[in-house]
This record gives sequence, structure tokens and C-alpha cells, in this order.
Amino acid sequence: AQSVTQLGSHVSVSEGALVLLRCNYSSSVPPYLFWYVQYPNQGLQLLLKYTSAATLVKGINGFEAEFKKSETSFHLTKPSAHMSDAAEYFCAVSDRSGGGADVLTFGKGTHLIIQP
Amino acid sequence: KAGVTQTPRYLIKTRGQQVTLSCSPISGHRSVSWYQQTPGQGLQFLFEYFSETQRNKGNFPGRFSGRQFSNSRSEMNVSTLELGDSALYLCASSLARSHRLITGELFFGEGSRLTVL
Repeated sequence: AQSVTQLGSHVSVSEGALVLLRCNYSSSVPPYLFWYVQYPNQGLQLLLKYTSAATLVKGINGFEAEFKKSETSFHLTKPSAHMSDAAEYFCAVSDRSGGGADVLTFGKGTHLIIQP
Repeated sequence: KAGVTQTPRYLIKTRGQQVTLSCSPISGHRSVSWYQQTPGQGLQFLFEYFSETQRNKGNFPGRFSGRQFSNSRSEMNVSTLELGDSALYLCASSLARSHRLITGELFFGEGSRLTVL
């Protein structure tokens, strides 16, 4: 069975500071990994994805994540936080062995707070 | 290109009633999934449909059901509503063109927020 652990339900950073959101995964097969963002009263929007190509993945809005197999991690970073980055962030892993279906297992989410 | 459309966006029901939620996927997407989002349990997978067939089902009671139509639109139904069913129900579609292709990338709608009183 696969799982995702996001360290820190809330992360607060100052505007302009580095954003680091942590995600560790467990999967019995090489995973597909994703970061999604959710703004209030909206659905989830894909930030970036890892599908076994380059280990450093660049996404939208200046975010990137690095897949580290040895650490089973897929942490999300952004060099300089902006007020508009305040949102809920979800890390997810895809069960590529799950009967051919695109089924995602999500972490509990990290609420990112940006201090002015 | 239109995104995933869910209706209704908000609804209020009372215990014991039933509810039907609708989802129109992105044009050309044949896979539709449903997730339940609550503050306590987070995002949990309900079921996934591809070409009108349910391929996977999450760990939810039989009161939760769904179906997919030939145009890929999907509905989910919850019968005998309980207070704990209050949640945001998210529909997602994906580009999987065959049962062998797994993209893992889901496109989500804005959700249907259900309140059970």
C-alpha cells in the first residue's frame, strides 16, 4: 500500500523568504508523485509532477520539487514567497499498479501562511 | 478548453435524505474519479470510472455509489445521508485513453459542498 506524509500541517514564512514544504512517500512500485494547490473554495490545481524522468521538476508559479529515492522524499520549494502563494498544498502519490486506474493517495495537506 | 464542471456547487440536505452530484469531465477525458474532502480525514478516494465501468472503489459504505454515462459525464449518489457525510466532493478527470495508460495526472473541478443537517 502506498502512503504520503506531509510534515507540518501549517507552515508560516515571510514574504520573499524561501518556501519549503516537506513530503515523504511510501510506495511498493516506482511512484508518480504530484503536488497540488488548493485555494479557498476551489478545487485542486496541479503544481508539478514527477513521472520518472528528471528528478528535479519545475512547476507553475515558480515552484519546484526534487525526487530523492534514497530519502523517499519529494519536497516542494520556492525561492521567494509571494502573498498569492498562501493556500493549502497537497502532496500525492499515484498507484500505478492499481488496475489501470489513475488513483491518487493524498497527504493531509500543509497550509502555507505568508507573513507580510 | 472548458475544465471539469461540477453541479451543484453548494447544497444542504437533512439526515436520511439522498443526494446526487454531477460531474462533466474535460472534453476527451474518459476517466472520472471522485474524492471526498473533510477537515478530519482529508482527501479520500471514493471511486473511479472509465468507459462507463467502475475500475476502482475506495473504502466507503454502499450508501455511496456512482455511475458514468456514454458521454463520460458522471454522477455520484449518497443515500440515507448522515451528518458525517458533510464534505466537499471533488470530481477529477484524466486523459487516460485506455485501460493500460496511467497518467496519474488528475484535473479537478471546484467541488460540490454538501452540508447535512
